[in-house]
Amino acid sequence: NAGVTQTPKFRILKIGQSMTLQCAQDMNHNYMYWYRQDPGMGLKLIYYSVGAGITDKGEVPNGYNVSRSTTEDFPLRLELAAPSQTSVYFCASSYSILSGDTEAFFGQGTRLTVV
Amino acid sequence: GESVGLHLPTLSVQEGDNSIINCAYSNSASDYFIWYKQESGKGPQFIIDIRSNMDKRQGQRVTVLLNKTVKHLSLQIAATQPGDSAVYFCAERDNFNKFYFGSGTKLNVKP
Repeated sequence: NAGVTQTPKFRILKIGQSMTLQCAQDMNHNYMYWYRQDPGMGLKLIYYSVGAGITDKGEVPNGYNVSRSTTEDFPLRLELAAPSQTSVYFCASSYSILSGDTEAFFGQGTRLTVV
Repeated sequence: GESVGLHLPTLSVQEGDNSIINCAYSNSASDYFIWYKQESGKGPQFIIDIRSNMDKRQGQRVTVLLNKTVKHLSLQIAATQPGDSAVYFCAERDNFNKFYFGSGTKLNVKP
């Protein structure tokens, strides 16, 4: 039972480079989320998705893009990496609140450094 | 976006004592409030939640209290153990199924 799987675990990028953070879940959750966590801070919502083909911005979407072509996968794209994007990125998934299940399951995180 | 904040950034307790972690929220429309535990190098893990129409909910060694009048949430951990050392986040889930997190409280359990 893998839950939420994120790859890679660590990455160093140069300014201006691009990369895709991968996220996959095997729980058939319709909701998926991307958060970033800066040192000593809470999690800020970047993007979220309510199902395949549907995505929407969160609190801090600038500099990122997402897509959701399948229920399982929700990749996060950084097009022009900037030092301000140095952070730990967490992907999460959940059922709808209508299911009565409020728990969001998180991956182990991707630690990204932009130099 | 919603604002969820914590009163204390660090809390140190003696092993065996009870811990109380507090949180303030600003969005009265949130349906659920949730506590997460995050150990070093790991993603947040669900501890307990409470629906907005409740004021208390108990789990195993944990109790969450919700005071809607003052928009305050607390997590009580009974008989705190070294394994409870972590950062604790409160979060609220809005009607669009989005989770908003506070900045966290670090709990240090002294042996």
